[in-house]
Amino acid sequence: EAQVTQNPRYLITVTGKKLTVTCSQNMNHEYMSWYRQDPGLGLRQIYYSMNVEVTDKGDVPEGYKVSRKEKRNFPLILESPSPNQTSLYFCASNRGGADTQYFGPGTRLTVL
Amino acid sequence: QKEVEQDPGPLSVPEGAIVSLNCTYSNSAFQYFMWYRQYSRKGPELLMYTYSSGNKEDGRFTAQVDKSSKYISLFIRDSQPSDSATYLCAIGAGGSYIPTFGRGTSLIVHP
Repeated sequence: EAQVTQNPRYLITVTGKKLTVTCSQNMNHEYMSWYRQDPGLGLRQIYYSMNVEVTDKGDVPEGYKVSRKEKRNFPLILESPSPNQTSLYFCASNRGGADTQYFGPGTRLTVL
Repeated sequence: QKEVEQDPGPLSVPEGAIVSLNCTYSNSAFQYFMWYRQYSRKGPELLMYTYSSGNKEDGRFTAQVDKSSKYISLFIRDSQPSDSATYLCAIGAGGSYIPTFGRGTSLIVHP
């Protein structure tokens, strides 16, 4: 089954404790993206990647890191999480910029 | 001004009503237009995709694009309670660009 998976689905952590949210796709897509979704603000892009070792900032990259060492994986790293990073995070993948994006199920992160 | 504007609602309608959801955009370079549907606690899923001005129909759903006015719409005929979800427009410029999403409109269809 073609899908984007994210782990963990739910995470509660404390300020300053490094965390990683994993994302994996099995569709051999070139593009992968991370979004955060907040009430009233909609989906905002954090980072995206057009291929292995090629990443670029989205609209709200501050406080986040990404890496793309393999085509299928695109982890999101929060080196020192803060409460304002409490949000619902989605990973997505697609074949190209104009192609349909396939979203993962979401990771709900709470930073205390 | 955001590149893509979408009224967040909520929009509440009775079952069977015709629903109209809309987005406006500012960048005339935008070439492709999508509508995603997002159920509560789920990721968005593509509903409709169009490149051109005019109408595209798929069952009870019709996507309409007016490039001259920079305005897109999604119509839902004979709305059902199962259509209750958040609808997001996504608009992009093709090539290597990732689409820009609207904030989403929350739709509630009550029996």
